[in-house]
Amino acid sequence: AQSVTQLDSQVPVFEEAPVELRCNYSSSVSVYLFWYVQYPNQGLQLLLKYLSGSTLVKGINGFEAEFNKSQTSFHLRKPSVHISDTAEYFCAHKVGYSTLTFGKGTMLLVSP
Amino acid sequence: NAGVTQTPKFRVLKTGQSMTLLCAQDMNHEYMYWYRQDPGMGLRLIHYSVGEGTTAKGEVPDGYNVSRLKKQNFLLGLESAAPSQTSVYFCASSYVDDGLAAASSYEQYFGPGTRLTVT
Repeated sequence: AQSVTQLDSQVPVFEEAPVELRCNYSSSVSVYLFWYVQYPNQGLQLLLKYLSGSTLVKGINGFEAEFNKSQTSFHLRKPSVHISDTAEYFCAHKVGYSTLTFGKGTMLLVSP
Repeated sequence: NAGVTQTPKFRVLKTGQSMTLLCAQDMNHEYMYWYRQDPGMGLRLIHYSVGEGTTAKGEVPDGYNVSRLKKQNFLLGLESAAPSQTSVYFCASSYVDDGLAAASSYEQYFGPGTRLTVT
């Protein structure tokens, strides 16, 4: 079965520090990958997506992710985080007929 | 555009009661989805629909039924609620998956969620 693994359930960082949230997916013929963000008590919002082309994908709020086919990874990065980036982040992989498989989420906790 | 809306926002049920959650979208999306979110479990797909009048089972369909009588609405029903169905439920919608990346971004647009507690 297709799966998405987010290696860290929680990542604490200080404000203005860099951060990387890790995601690995199970290999498949077609690879469409997404990162979503969920702020407290809200729905999910798309941060960025990889469909094809450049392996470095830029998203909103200064986030970027790199697709690595050989390592089946799609890690999310930001060079300098803000308090307002505190949220839960979900990696997702499109499988089947337009359905997504989500990872279990990584809680990013930014402190002053 | 309101996007994806969900009704109600909160609900408390007693075991054995029934209820229907309503999802509505005004983006003319063909596809709609119902997920549940539980701590440490991420989002799990309950049911989805690829068009009016069609539905399909997702990863965790047991105990739920759905209907898509109108393109813009997707209803999730619990016939006999159980405490294990205590969760936050999210609806989402997306464009047609026609295999053309230029025409379809595969992005799913999410509603704000419904927090359901079954006692």
